Amino acid sequence: EPEVTQTPSHQVTQMGQEVILRCVPISNHLYFYWYRQILGQKVEFLVSFYNNEISEKSEIFDDQFSVERPDGSNFTLKIRSTKLEDSAMYFCASSRERDEKLFFGSGTQLSVL
Amino acid sequence: AQTVTQSQPEMSVQEAETVTLSCTYDTSESDYYLFWYKQPPSRQMILVIRQEAYKQQNATENRFSVNFQKAAKSFSLKISDSQLGDAAMYFCAYRWGGSEKLVFGKGTKLTVNP
Repeated sequence: EPEVTQTPSHQVTQMGQEVILRCVPISNHLYFYWYRQILGQKVEFLVSFYNNEISEKSEIFDDQFSVERPDGSNFTLKIRSTKLEDSAMYFCASSRERDEKLFFGSGTQLSVL
Repeated sequence: AQTVTQSQPEMSVQEAETVTLSCTYDTSESDYYLFWYKQPPSRQMILVIRQEAYKQQNATENRFSVNFQKAAKSFSLKISDSQLGDAAMYFCAYRWGGSEKLVFGKGTKLTVNP
């Protein structure tokens, strides 16, 4: 079965630094998402992306966050100036159509020190 | 606001037995979808089963079935003939038909005893 690939699996950064989390969605998928899971808490929606623009975002997704699909295959999440509370597992997901099955990647564990 | 509640932080079951995981949700919408996701130690979220709110028939996928009680806003997952590979965190999730956002519950950790 095709997979959503996320790199790196673990990333450690210093508070205030910029990080870019990378995702390669399934090739024929059109809808892309980022979710995050702080340790011991619920999985939370961050943003959805379709047709090269953000289609929906949560209140968590403030000006510190941005997403991009730079080359037609990668889908990135950038955090401009990381905070301690950004430490979490970040999941990328994609689907072929809006109401079809969502495929998740294995996540990137971000640790902000 | 839509919320999803899983009241069982942990459950355990003997191999080959049946277990039911509970989920309730709160919404004022009529067009929505409900999901159960499995998260094994690898942390990847895997869709187990999905239910459209307009469908009265309960969804089934092999050993997995749901009991969807729309009036009670309840959506439980039954796992029959439990296997060691079923051990994982299970998350109940909701999506309104007019949104792309999944709202997750806190999860239930399922242990399968040999």
